Formats: sequence, structure tokens, C-alpha cells
Amino acid sequence: DQQVKQNSPSLSVQEGRISILNCDYTNSMFDYFLWYKKYPAEGPTFLISISSIKDKNEDGRFTVFLNKSAKHLSLHIVPSQPGDSAVYFCAADQLRGAQKLVFGQGTRLTINP
Amino acid sequence: DADVTQTPRNRITKTGKRIMLECSQTKGHDRMYWYRQDPGLGLRLIYYSFDVKDINKGEISDGYSVSRQAQAKFSLSLESAIPNQTALYFCATSPSAGVGYTFGSGTRLTVV
Repeated sequence: DQQVKQNSPSLSVQEGRISILNCDYTNSMFDYFLWYKKYPAEGPTFLISISSIKDKNEDGRFTVFLNKSAKHLSLHIVPSQPGDSAVYFCAADQLRGAQKLVFGQGTRLTINP
Repeated sequence: DADVTQTPRNRITKTGKRIMLECSQTKGHDRMYWYRQDPGLGLRLIYYSFDVKDINKGEISDGYSVSRQAQAKFSLSLESAIPNQTALYFCATSPSAGVGYTFGSGTRLTVV
């Protein structure tokens, strides 16, 4: 039973445009959400997070939006750059519960020049 | 030196062999994790440890065991490797809940 789902295995975006990566979750006990970025032959690296008490968190070109009623979050990258080409993983945690990250399947983002 | 070091980086082993993957960290974190990555399945948790005396099974612990030798070291063993354990394995650390994990560079394991 996949509690965190990224339904798009891949996404291709033109350089300079907005990239939108989506993630859905089923467990209403999740209260903390994170995005990780992974390059080939490297481990995932933390990108941005959001607590369930917020609906938006911004860090430079990266913004994460959380819609708790829909159990949906998204990562917006504006403007997209070639170095953003990577696999992006959505993850969720229960700060007062299990306290271990549950990851989605990942979305491969390709930025085209 | 990397904050989280995994050895070996690549390994090919035969079915039925015992193999150990090692992880060490210099972050001083109490919490350590082992995940495996498979195409289309993302990262799945194998085992985790919140301190030296605490070991917990993750969602896919069957066929694996772990040892937390010290705060800085967390090893994953495959007692009798099988081909469907071919995957990319990641070790990670964190200081507490609500803080992003720091991952190692991974071990690519192939069981033939």
C-alpha cells in the first residue's frame, strides 16, 4: 500500500519555464513533508520541507504547496534551469508518531535548453 | 570526507552468499536508517535505529539484518543473498524528527 504517491514518472520542461511536480498521500497522520533531489550516482539531498500547519513554503526558486484537504502537495521550480534535471522524491513523516520518512516513487525531471 | 560514508560503492555477489554493507557517519546523529531504491518503487525503509540500543524493522526487513556497533556505525547484512535483493542501498542519518535526513552516496548491489 503506497502511502505517498508520485503518479508522474517523468516530466520534461523547457529551460526558463515553471516545473511543477506533484505528490499525493493517503495517511492523514502525516504532518511534515519534504522534497529530495537525486542526481545519478549520488544520494538524495534535502531540498525543501513544509509543516502541515502551513500551506506554502518558499526557498529561492523552489516553493512547496500543501493542500491538506486534498492530501496533495506540489513543488514549483521557477525558473527551471538545466542543473535542475534530476529525480525528485516526495517524502512524508509523522512527527508525533512513526518518525520515519515514507517516500514516493520519484519523478525524473528533464530541463531542455 | 563525506558526512555519511557507505562501503562498498559497488558489489556483485552470488546467490546464497552473506554480504555486509557498512555505513559510518561523522554528523554525530543518533538516528540512522537503511533504505533500498528500486525503479518505480522509490525508497523503501529496511531498518532504522534511534540510538545504539534501539533497532526497528521497516516495511521490507525480511531477508535483512542490521547491527548498530556505535553511534556512528550502522551495518546492513544480507544473510543469504537472492537476486531480487539487487538494488541501490542508501544509509541515512538525522538528529531528530522533523529534520531532513543526510544520505550516503549509496551501494549498488547486484546478486547473480
